[in-house]
Amino acid sequence: DTEVTQTPKHLVMGMTNKKSLKCEQHMGHRAMYWYKQKAKKPPELMFVYSYEKLSINESVPSRFSPECPNSSLLNLHLHALQPEDSALYLCASSQGFTGYGANVLTFGAGSRLTVL
Amino acid sequence: AQKVTQAQTEISVVEKEDVTLDCVYETRDTTYYLFWYKQPPSGELVFLIRRNSFDEQNEISGRYSWNFQKSTSSFNFTITASQVVDSAVYFCALSVQAAGNKLTFGGGTRVLVKP
Repeated sequence: DTEVTQTPKHLVMGMTNKKSLKCEQHMGHRAMYWYKQKAKKPPELMFVYSYEKLSINESVPSRFSPECPNSSLLNLHLHALQPEDSALYLCASSQGFTGYGANVLTFGAGSRLTVL
Repeated sequence: AQKVTQAQTEISVVEKEDVTLDCVYETRDTTYYLFWYKQPPSGELVFLIRRNSFDEQNEISGRYSWNFQKSTSSFNFTITASQVVDSAVYFCALSVQAAGNKLTFGGGTRVLVKP
């Protein structure tokens, strides 16, 4: 079983809906990530949280809003999405964001989002 | 800027054949890490190996082996005696110390192992 749990596994939403993706890890990791992956493409980094603070925002549109309520949880709030936002959204975590042991990421199985 | 190239988009083999996945990287940094991740149809990326730029030793783990050559900026991955469960997309990735954990992924190689 993956140690990073993402819910829901599948989500279909309209362009006017508001929904959220959730990610949880209990490995004591202090860095958490959101990646977006389109079909037949590599994952693209969206956001990085380090010690519950947003460290990196890769110029992601404001219709995606991340939240890190505590060190174990990471949310991605979705609002007014476009059909081109349909993709697999992967959450990942690592021990930290810097240091030798930091850059091995543990990924969740992803949330497959379809925007109609 | 960093770049990772996986020239093979798809490889199809018959079970028990060996398969080698190529990875070529570009970076001006002297301290960097190279990775391989496996993405099975279930979706999650599974970490396979990390190698730092100062360690050119090849590594073997079961049926998997990796060949790191700084002279050619390559970090190739071989699956020996492939099995159907090896069918997946494999990503090579690079991170540089100056940029923390930002992984630069290659385009991925889809491996299909037929029974």
